[in-house]
Amino acid sequence: EDQVTQSPEALRLQEGESSSLNCSYTVSGLRGLFWYRQDPGKGPEFLFTLYSAGEEKEKERLKATLTKKESFLHITAPKPEDSATYLCAVRKNTGGFKTIFGAGTRLFVKA
Amino acid sequence: EPEVTQTPSHQVTQMGQEVILRCVPISNHLYFYWYRQILGQKVEFLVSFYNNEISEKSEIFDDQFSVERPDGSNFTLKIRSTKLEDSAMYFCASSGDPTGAYGYTFGSGTRLTVV
Repeated sequence: EDQVTQSPEALRLQEGESSSLNCSYTVSGLRGLFWYRQDPGKGPEFLFTLYSAGEEKEKERLKATLTKKESFLHITAPKPEDSATYLCAVRKNTGGFKTIFGAGTRLFVKA
Repeated sequence: EPEVTQTPSHQVTQMGQEVILRCVPISNHLYFYWYRQILGQKVEFLVSFYNNEISEKSEIFDDQFSVERPDGSNFTLKIRSTKLEDSAMYFCASSGDPTGAYGYTFGSGTRLTVV
């Protein structure tokens, strides 16, 4: 069965304290792994798409990496405004466009 | 920056009533989606829509659900006879390419409460 598992469920960091979020997946026919940020009461906001093992993408303090079984979202020197839920999602090779989301990691960054 | 607009932001309806959730995708996007998120749970795929037809749908998207693009700008989700378990945040999304290279742009959602 296709699964996307994110860990930890919640993460509390001090401002400037770097860390990583994990997304492990079991999906047949991966057609892309996505990272989104979601603020309370809002829709997910796109961050990155990764397609193949070894690929890396960066945006400001965020860097996403991909292996054959998992992806990491590295947060370097986070600021309070980085506090949000970070969602991982995978798209299958089904011919359609179904995307399976993980439950997310709630990140709290304290000043 | 272009946005996906959803209306209403919050809808309360009686069990058994029909509801229509409305979305205006980004104007040059061709691929449209509906997702839902029950409070405290994962974002779940409902349906994808391209070239005026459904590309894929999930097990959740049963005969009670339908989608339509009635004109060149709106994309709607209809629930024919709402149930208590349909209470959730419903998100519309659109994308300009099928690969997802630039991700999907989500709206801010419609919170549906069935009483």
